Amino acid sequence: DTEVTQTPKHLVMGMTNKKSLKCEQHMGHRAMYWYKQKAKKPPELMFVYSYEKLSINESVPSRFSPECPNSSLLNLHLHALQPEDSALYLCASSQGTTHLRETQYFGPGTRLLVL
Amino acid sequence: GEDVEQSLFLSVREGDSSVINCTYTDSSSTYLYWYKQEPGAGLQLLTYIFSNMDMKQDQRLTVLLNKKDKHLSLRIADTQTGDSAIYFCAESADAGNMLTFGGGTRLMVKP
Repeated sequence: DTEVTQTPKHLVMGMTNKKSLKCEQHMGHRAMYWYKQKAKKPPELMFVYSYEKLSINESVPSRFSPECPNSSLLNLHLHALQPEDSALYLCASSQGTTHLRETQYFGPGTRLLVL
Repeated sequence: GEDVEQSLFLSVREGDSSVINCTYTDSSSTYLYWYKQEPGAGLQLLTYIFSNMDMKQDQRLTVLLNKKDKHLSLRIADTQTGDSAIYFCAESADAGNMLTFGGGTRLMVKP
């Protein structure tokens, strides 16, 4: 099973709403990632979790709050977003062995629209 | 910092071969990847190559790596309409498994 799942597939929210994106993998991977992808652009890394600890935060605004409750799950909590945050949010995972360059497996993404 | 460049667009006829090119600047790149993204979907890992290899073939896909010129290519044989998508080249060199993506090449396959 090389599948990364994400829910919901689509999300529309207002600027005052609080919502969460969810990501799940059952490959035993210990590294999980959040990326943001705007239309016609490559994905941009937001956060990296390694062994359930936040290891990289690419200067992401605090209105995005990641959480890794266990090794299979990764959440992204959203609060007070701006219309420019509308994008495809991609989750990925990899084995998590820091000594190797690892292949990342991506989920299908959540398409977010902020009104 | 690392830089990965791709041409924006490629159009081919069904049944022809497609060649998508990528150049990178980081000489310490260790793994190089090709991802496919269909409209509205996530990234699908197509194939990857280690920097100590020159070529890798997987069914209709052939990856060529010229490490001296820092040039990577993806050849798709017998291109089908289902191959229409955006293809991203990516490289990984530094610790933390950070991926650097190219801008993506939109492949259009005409019947």
